[in-house]
Amino acid sequence: QSVLTQPPSVSAAPGQKVTISCSGSSSNIGNNHVSWYQQFPGTAPKLLIYENDERPSGIPDRFSGSKSDTSATLGITGLQTGDEADYYCGTWHSSLSAGVFGGGTKLTVL
Amino acid sequence: EVQLVESGGGLVQPGGSLRLSCAASGFTFNNYAMNWVRQAPGKGLEWVSGITAGGSTYFADSVKGRFTISRDNSKNTLSLQMNSLRAEDTAVYYCAKALVASMRVGYDYWGQGTLVTVTS
Repeated sequence: QSVLTQPPSVSAAPGQKVTISCSGSSSNIGNNHVSWYQQFPGTAPKLLIYENDERPSGIPDRFSGSKSDTSATLGITGLQTGDEADYYCGTWHSSLSAGVFGGGTKLTVL
Repeated sequence: EVQLVESGGGLVQPGGSLRLSCAASGFTFNNYAMNWVRQAPGKGLEWVSGITAGGSTYFADSVKGRFTISRDNSKNTLSLQMNSLRAEDTAVYYCAKALVASMRVGYDYWGQGTLVTVTS
């Protein structure tokens, strides 16, 4: 059971928009920055969003992040088949003094 | 170009030990926190341990007392000493660079991972 809660899977058609939620508590998301990662099978995770809503250079603006209280959301617009991957949220847990991740969400582009 | 190259993984019996290393290049190593994140086969990401630029260390409860993290800034190397290994420690272990010197922000570069298999 992960500290951060994500839906196991989401799906949408090419060109559409999808959102992935990440729910936590005041001890983690509520008082720390959230990051989002994309992972294709057999490869290392890749940073998509940091500090809740910032994109590293090279990440298309189709990817966006937001945070409200103890939850965060990753949005992907203009879905492409190449976006099919696992997506993870992550943050710091202040009372545990540990990093935490969500269980991951598998995105299917139908 | 930032590069993180892990080594040291392999097959080990329960109760055994293993030392993982991560060779870093392409950035000023001593300015950033570094972390180990693992992924069991078919499972999600699990943060294992981290060390700040200043040398403060942190561990997941699942490995506390068994794993030790260290960094050698003169050699740009991160290490993870794993003792009393259990079957549930079986995973791909990733070295991950933090965005800043502390632990509270995400990880912008990841190594390719090294597989640790604990089995009798």
